[in-house]
Amino acid sequence: AQSVSQHNHHVILSEAASLELGCNYSYGGTVNLFWYVQYPGQHLQLLLKYFSGDPLVKGIKGFEAEFIKSKFSFNLRKPSVQWSDTAEYFCAVTGRYSGNTPLVFGKGTRLSVIA
Amino acid sequence: KAGVTQTPRYLIKTRGQQVTLSCSPISGHRSVSWYQQTPGQGLQFLFEYFSETQRNKGNFPGRFSGRQFSNSRSEMNVSTLELGDSALYLCASSGPGSVETQYFGPGTRLLVL
Repeated sequence: AQSVSQHNHHVILSEAASLELGCNYSYGGTVNLFWYVQYPGQHLQLLLKYFSGDPLVKGIKGFEAEFIKSKFSFNLRKPSVQWSDTAEYFCAVTGRYSGNTPLVFGKGTRLSVIA
Repeated sequence: KAGVTQTPRYLIKTRGQQVTLSCSPISGHRSVSWYQQTPGQGLQFLFEYFSETQRNKGNFPGRFSGRQFSNSRSEMNVSTLELGDSALYLCASSGPGSVETQYFGPGTRLLVL
């Protein structure tokens, strides 16, 4: 069965610290990968996505993620976090070339950025 | 372009009642998916509609149903509500130019007492 594992439930960082959130997936086939963010009181927003090509993808607000096929991983990174990055981050996977398959989400990682 | 809209935003019901939630997708999007978000289970897929047909269904009981209209607007219905149905219900749409990317609405927060 398809699944997504996010290693950290809650991460606390100081402003300007670097961020890396882990995401591993299990999926029998070629995948599309996503990171979504949910700011407090706001709806789920797309941060970035990977379909094919360069495994290092850049998203909004300075976020990037690297797809490592051999490790089934799609980790999210940001070199220097800001207080406004406080949010919950969700990694998700869906199958490519297999019709319209639903998004399978990880449980999310709550990021708290402190001054 | 307006985003995905969902109504109502908040809802309080009692056990045994039924509820209908509405979702209007981004203009031009024909695929609408529904997800349930709870603290314990996270985000779980309910079902997906495309051109008024259910294309995919998640692992939820038959009390959860949905439909899609010719204008792509979608509704989901939960009958005989249980306490465990308290959740944030999210709708997402996808369409031309972004068929493999889903865009989410703000959700309907349902509280079952």
